[in-house]
Amino acid sequence: DAGVTQSPTHLIKTRGQQVTLRCSPKSGHDTVSWYQQALGQGPQFIFQYYEEEERQRGNFPDRFSGHQFPNYSSELNVNALLLGDSALYLCASSLVVVAGDTQYFGPGTRLTVL
Amino acid sequence: DQQVKQNSPSLSVQEGRISILNCDYTNSMFDYFLWYKKYPAEGPTFLISISSIKDKNEDGRFTVFLNKSAKHLSLHIVPSQPGDSAVYFCAASTPTGANNLFFGTGTRLTVIP
Repeated sequence: DAGVTQSPTHLIKTRGQQVTLRCSPKSGHDTVSWYQQALGQGPQFIFQYYEEEERQRGNFPDRFSGHQFPNYSSELNVNALLLGDSALYLCASSLVVVAGDTQYFGPGTRLTVL
Repeated sequence: DQQVKQNSPSLSVQEGRISILNCDYTNSMFDYFLWYKKYPAEGPTFLISISSIKDKNEDGRFTVFLNKSAKHLSLHIVPSQPGDSAVYFCAASTPTGANNLFFGTGTRLTVIP
């Protein structure tokens, strides 16, 4: 049973560029959430996608956008990159219908903005 | 505003002894709490959870205690093993945001053989 997968593993971009990160959820899961983990911090919720729509959003600017595809996979897009966007980006999947359901995390994409 | 706090960045424990990791929260709306373990270069792995209607949940060597009046929870690992060495994150969610987790900053546990 494949768990949550993310690509790429590492990415280096320069300020002002745009980046797209990808996530495939755990088999059977229909909800994908994205988190940003800065160095020395805990993960911070960016947004969640269900039925191809953004269901919830954390305190992140509009430069952060996403998409969910019919097969439940998801993309995170960040425009106009800033140095402060350097972080580990984690994708987590779950079943939205189960309240308090456990979220399963992928290994993350390490983004470095120079 | 950090709604979930782990005030101990690190903890060292001898193998076989008890490890106690602590977590405090400020949002009284939190009703579900989780502990995740994270190894380097891996995503957080779910360890154990507890609903606010309980004050204790046990799973093998891992027990989570919840004190709602104090807004405090703790994770006990007995006995501690070297393989338990990792960063442990406490997380919480509200009824209206069941999948929106608020994380603490983590505690690095080192179990010394």
